[in-house]
Amino acid sequence: GESVGLHLPTLSVQEGDNSIINCAYSNSASDYFIWYKQESGKGPQFIIDIRSNMDKRQGQRVTVLLNKTVKHLSLQIAATQPGDSAVYFCAERRGSQGNLIFGKGTKLSVKP
Amino acid sequence: DADVTQTPRNRITKTGKRIMLECSQTKGHDRMYWYRQDPGLGLQLIYYSFDVKDINKGEISDGYSVSRQAQAKFSLSLESAIPNQTALYFCATSDFGAGADTQYFGPGTRLTVL
Repeated sequence: GESVGLHLPTLSVQEGDNSIINCAYSNSASDYFIWYKQESGKGPQFIIDIRSNMDKRQGQRVTVLLNKTVKHLSLQIAATQPGDSAVYFCAERRGSQGNLIFGKGTKLSVKP
Repeated sequence: DADVTQTPRNRITKTGKRIMLECSQTKGHDRMYWYRQDPGLGLQLIYYSFDVKDINKGEISDGYSVSRQAQAKFSLSLESAIPNQTALYFCATSDFGAGADTQYFGPGTRLTVL
């Protein structure tokens, strides 16, 4: 079936290392993708987005890569900090009027 | 995000009770959403509204109803709460500009149905 999912449910990294969180999607019609960060007890917070006509987009310490050939999305966090510890969700939008479909999330733990 | 507020933040109720969760936004967005989040799962869309006169069912609307009282207000009701509606509920807003649809979330309401 159509789904947005994640390769790894948990990820533990050392402070200062780079983190890579992966997401697979199955609908080739999806045209827009977002990464959200959710800290404990809070609502999801927008991190970065990318349209399907792009394959890379950079923000502050974060980079999103989109590989439409294999329907894969990744979030790279540079120099991971303890404040980056959270659950990260990817979401896809299926068509310009479509709603967002969320993956189950990956928990990122940063070890000091 | 303080631009999207939800009340109450926590609620414990009993099976069969009617519950209303409120959402307000000061972002001036036309679109508003209600999601449910269960432990270890992603967000599931309950209802959404693209403007005051527009209400649409999401993927899990059974047992829920909504009201869009104004552009800034979108409430979610559980007409007769049941234990499997125990979850975190999030309201979100978006402004459909330039073909994008980034959603901004409120802090959530933790609902427990006994």
